[in-house]
Amino acid sequence: DADVTQTPRNRITKTGKRIMLECSQTKGHDRMYWYRQDPGLGLRLIYYSFDVKDINKGEISDGYSVSRQAQAKFSLSLESAIPNQTALYFCATSDLEGGYNEQFFGPGTRLTVL
Amino acid sequence: RKEVEQDPGPFNVPEGATVAFNCTYSNSASQSFFWYRQDCRKEPKLLMSVYSSGNEDGRFTAQLNRASQYISLLIRDSKLSDSATYLCVVFNGYGNKLVFGAGTILRVKS
Repeated sequence: DADVTQTPRNRITKTGKRIMLECSQTKGHDRMYWYRQDPGLGLRLIYYSFDVKDINKGEISDGYSVSRQAQAKFSLSLESAIPNQTALYFCATSDLEGGYNEQFFGPGTRLTVL
Repeated sequence: RKEVEQDPGPFNVPEGATVAFNCTYSNSASQSFFWYRQDCRKEPKLLMSVYSSGNEDGRFTAQLNRASQYISLLIRDSKLSDSATYLCVVFNGYGNKLVFGAGTILRVKS
């Protein structure tokens, strides 16, 4: 089984709908991240969390919210989806220990907002 | 200006060729540097870290030039399986946040 899983893997929704993307991990990592990837722009950080109930804004948090109710789960919500939120979304985890640690990514969720 | 810049490519090379990618970064306080590999429609995975002294892992060699603020990745004896997008990644120290370049596409052809 994969260490970092994301659901759903693909989602098509309409403008104005609320949508939630889920991320679960079995790596036991404390730190979790949500990124979006757009062609030509690379991955951009939306939100990150260093522990349960810890939430920090990333580079592009507007229009998104997150919840970290358990160490293993980090969910991303779009309260009112808009077409420019169409993108590939990745969840990632890393260990708590000091300095940089490798980030492990989930398989991604392809979101299309019509 | 993007914080991390890469030539998007694609680099089209024959099997067995040597190919090199460069990446520049704008934040002189950047602490750590990495190359990630991303296959089409898949998640990024760490390929290797980049150290000031340079480091090698099999056919892959990474170099860091802090004075000129660029890092490089050299792939020798290219294989078909090396075809992927290579992401230059910089860690700026605060909060374990990574900054990703947009990636360089490599296509190795038989």
